[in-house]
Amino acid sequence: QVQLKESGPGLVQPSQTLSLTCTVSGFSLTSYHVSWVRQPPGKGLEWMGVIWTGGSTAYNSLLKSRLSISRDTSKSQVFLKMNSLQTEDTATYYCARGTTGRDWGQGVMVTVSS
Amino acid sequence: DIQLTQSPSTLPASLGERVTISCRASQSISNSLNWYQQKPDGTVKRLIYSTSTLESGVPSRFSGSGSGTDYSLSISSLESEDFAMYYCLQYATYPYTFGAGTKLELK
Repeated sequence: QVQLKESGPGLVQPSQTLSLTCTVSGFSLTSYHVSWVRQPPGKGLEWMGVIWTGGSTAYNSLLKSRLSISRDTSKSQVFLKMNSLQTEDTATYYCARGTTGRDWGQGVMVTVSS
Repeated sequence: DIQLTQSPSTLPASLGERVTISCRASQSISNSLNWYQQKPDGTVKRLIYSTSTLESGVPSRFSGSGSGTDYSLSISSLESEDFAMYYCLQYATYPYTFGAGTKLELK
C-alpha cells in the first residue's frame, strides 16, 4: 500500500529556514519521482518541485533561489528545505508520488509567524 | 509560465445532475493535463491523467476530454461524495501549473 507522510514544524519564524520530511512506504524512491506541492490557506495549489528517481531535481522558477529538495533512499525519505521564509509561505505542504501526484500525503500545515 | 484558466470558480449543482468544468491553457499543452479532487479535509486525489485516462478506482461517471488549449472534466450524474474542489494541472512545461480551482457545491 502506497503511503506518503509529511512531517515538520508547525511554526517557523520569518527569515528562518523550513525543513520538511516526506516519509514514503509501498514504493521505492529509485523507482518513482516525488514532488512537493503547497497550498496557502483558502487558496489554490502550487507545484514547487520534484526529485527524480536518479536524484536530480527540478524547481518552480519562482522558488528556485530558496528551495532545495533532497532524499535518503535508505530511509525512504525526501526532504524539502526552503530558506528566507515570509508570511506568504504559510501553507499546507504536500508531497506526492510522481511528477504529477499519482498519490498524495495528507499534508502538513506550516505557519510563518513571529 | 503557462496559465490555466479554470471555470466556473463555483458550480452549484444538484444530485444526479451532469456538470462540466473547463480548463483553458494560455498555450497548447498537447494533452498534458490532469484533474484532481480535493475534499474539505485536504485530501487530494488524482482523478484523470493525460486528459482522459481515468485513474484506477475512480468511478466511470468521471470523464475528461480536450486538446490543444481547451480541456474539460465532466461528471455524468452527481453523487454526494462528488461535492468538493477540483483542480486541473498542466505538465507540458516547467513549472507545472494548476488552475485556480472549481468549487462544486450542492445547490
